[in-house]
Amino acid sequence: NAGVMQNPRHLVRRRGQEARLRCSPMKGHSHVYWYRQLPEEGLKFMVYLQKENIIDESGMPKERFSAEFPKEGPSILRIQQVVRGDSAAYFCASSPYGQGSTEAFFGQGTRLTVV
Amino acid sequence: GENVEQHPSTLSVQEGDSAVIKCTYSDSASNYFPWYKQELGKRPQLIIDIRSNVGEKKDQRIAVTLNKTAKHFSLHITETQPEDSAVYFCAANADFGNEKLTFGTGTRLTIIP
Repeated sequence: NAGVMQNPRHLVRRRGQEARLRCSPMKGHSHVYWYRQLPEEGLKFMVYLQKENIIDESGMPKERFSAEFPKEGPSILRIQQVVRGDSAAYFCASSPYGQGSTEAFFGQGTRLTVV
Repeated sequence: GENVEQHPSTLSVQEGDSAVIKCTYSDSASNYFPWYKQELGKRPQLIIDIRSNVGEKKDQRIAVTLNKTAKHFSLHITETQPEDSAVYFCAANADFGNEKLTFGTGTRLTIIP
């Protein structure tokens, strides 16, 4: 089991461009969570998805951010028209059930830098 | 929603001494409390967790205690070693059936050789 795979590990975008972050959960895991970590800060919940469904997006900014977890393929976190404030590490976690039920495994993260 | 507070934000202890990190939470419905260790530039890794039906759990040098009445839980690391230096995060699950984690703000633990 390769673990939670995120790519790319590092992503540099100019202001106004789009950023696409990918997360492949562990095999057999159907729950995916995205978190954002600003430098020297904790992890902030963004969105919780199951296959083809957004369960909770209460942590997502209302504009420019979207997420999906299609039936086939990885979960995608999409940030349109990036701004400097979007620079952060974005972590994905997966679990076979909800995170309160069992351990959630984190990916290595994608470090987004907006220049 | 759930709010998790964590203290202290930084902690330095001599190698071999014990370290204690404390967290409080606000939602009495929370029932799962993991602790994560994050080394610089790496992913958060679960080191221990506790559920609301137990008051204490131990795994070698690491222990976690939970007081549901007071809504606080603590991480205890004994016989600290240099490799324990990292940022530690507590978390609590927010909503039953929608079990996203709410994290504390982290404690940077430095072990002084």
